[in-house]
Amino acid sequence: GAVVSQHPSWVICKSGTSVKIECRSLDFQATTMFWYRQFPKQSLMLMATSNEGSKATYEQGVEKDKFLINHASLTLSTLTVTSAHPEDSSFYICSARDVRQETQYFGPGTRLLVL
Amino acid sequence: QQQVKQSPQSLIVQKGGISIINCAYENTAFDYFPWYQQFPGKGPALLIAIRPDVSEKKEGRFTISFNKSAKQFSLHIMDSQPGDSATYFCAATPTGNQFYFGTGTSLTVIP
Repeated sequence: GAVVSQHPSWVICKSGTSVKIECRSLDFQATTMFWYRQFPKQSLMLMATSNEGSKATYEQGVEKDKFLINHASLTLSTLTVTSAHPEDSSFYICSARDVRQETQYFGPGTRLLVL
Repeated sequence: QQQVKQSPQSLIVQKGGISIINCAYENTAFDYFPWYQQFPGKGPALLIAIRPDVSEKKEGRFTISFNKSAKQFSLHIMDSQPGDSATYFCAATPTGNQFYFGTGTSLTVIP
C-alpha cells in the first residue's frame, strides 16, 4: 500500500513556541492532504483540507491563524501550530489522497505535548 | 451532524469468533466506503474498501457487506485473533471529496 510519513513522531515544547509537523507521501502524488486531530479514545476530527498550490480549507471552529497549513508540493504538506498552549496537546494525523485510487492513506501520527 | 453512524462503540469477542461492526449513512452521494484499523499510538491503516456496485467484498478474514437500499455496510472479521484487537473506523465519501468517519469501535479479542 501507499506510504505516508510524518515527522516528528512526537514533540514536547514549551507553551508559546511554534511547532511544525511534516507530512509526506512517499510513493505517490497527493493533490489533496488532510490534517486531523484525535483525542484519546475518540474519532478523527478533520481540521483542514490542503490542496497543492492553494490555500487550505479549514473546518468550522479551527483557527486558521493558529494552525498554519502549507502544501507546497505534490508530496509535502506542513502543519504549524503557532504559539502552542497546553490545550493544543493532542495526536495530529495527516492523510494523503491517492488520486489514482481515490482513497486516503494515513501517516503514523505526531504526538504533541505542550508544557 | 454525524454523517456516518457506527456501532457498537466497543466489542469483546472470543478468539476464533466473528466480529461484526456496523455503519449506516444517509447521503446517497457517498460512493466509496473504506474501513480503517488503528492501533494505539498509530495512524489508521486502510483495511478494506467497497464501492456500491457490489454487495460484498472479501479479503482474507475481512469481509465488507454492503446493503445499498438500507444504506448500511458492515465489517465482518472471521476467526478473530488477539492481534485484531484495535479500533476500527468506517468511512464514506462522495468521490473526490472529504471522508466522513464513524465514531470508531474498540475491538478486544480475548484468548
